[in-house]
Amino acid sequence: AQKITQTQPGMFVQEKEAVTLDCTYDTSDQSYGLFWYKQPSSGEMIFLIYQGSYDEQNATEGRYSLNFQKARKSANLVISASQLGDSAMYFCAMREGEAGGFKTIFGAGTRLFVKA
Amino acid sequence: DTGVSQNPRHKITKRGQNVTFRCDPISEHNRLYWYRQTLGQGPEFLTYFQNEAQLEKSRLLSDRFSAERPKGSFSTLEIQRTEQGDSAMYLCASSPLHTTLNNEQFFGPGTRLTVL
Repeated sequence: AQKITQTQPGMFVQEKEAVTLDCTYDTSDQSYGLFWYKQPSSGEMIFLIYQGSYDEQNATEGRYSLNFQKARKSANLVISASQLGDSAMYFCAMREGEAGGFKTIFGAGTRLFVKA
Repeated sequence: DTGVSQNPRHKITKRGQNVTFRCDPISEHNRLYWYRQTLGQGPEFLTYFQNEAQLEKSRLLSDRFSAERPKGSFSTLEIQRTEQGDSAMYLCASSPLHTTLNNEQFFGPGTRLTVL
């Protein structure tokens, strides 16, 4: 069964520093998608970045990059130059393929605290 | 605003009462998903629709839960005889017509249910 594991319940980072949020996944599918979402205290889920299982290059979106290591089944999120507004919950997620209805499986999340 | 909308945003009810939530997806999105998120956890898949057809239900969706999407547009999630364990954020998401792995699921703001 598909599973997402985030082992860091909470992380602290100094403003302007970089931080890595860990994510490992388990699937028997060959084709899958990996996502990171940000959830601020207001509750909405904000899409950050996507990595396809066949993508050879790591995805980047502005200050966000995804360190994709397929053999290790890891998809860590790197946030560069942290800002106070980055303080939030971060969820790693995996999208199942068409057979699974393209539904998304989420990890338990990591709460990031950015210190001034 | 043409995003996913959910109503109500907050609902407080007494144990044993029935509640109904509504989700309006982005127009022309034919896939609609319901997730439940308890405090400190990631969202958990409940059910999804393709147009008006409910194609999958999680085992989390007990007999007290029912979801409909009668005309393939908005959806309702009803919980009968609510229990304190039903207290959670209920999230709705929709996906574009031609869903692939890298399509973003657009999430609504959620309905926070508190059962007293």
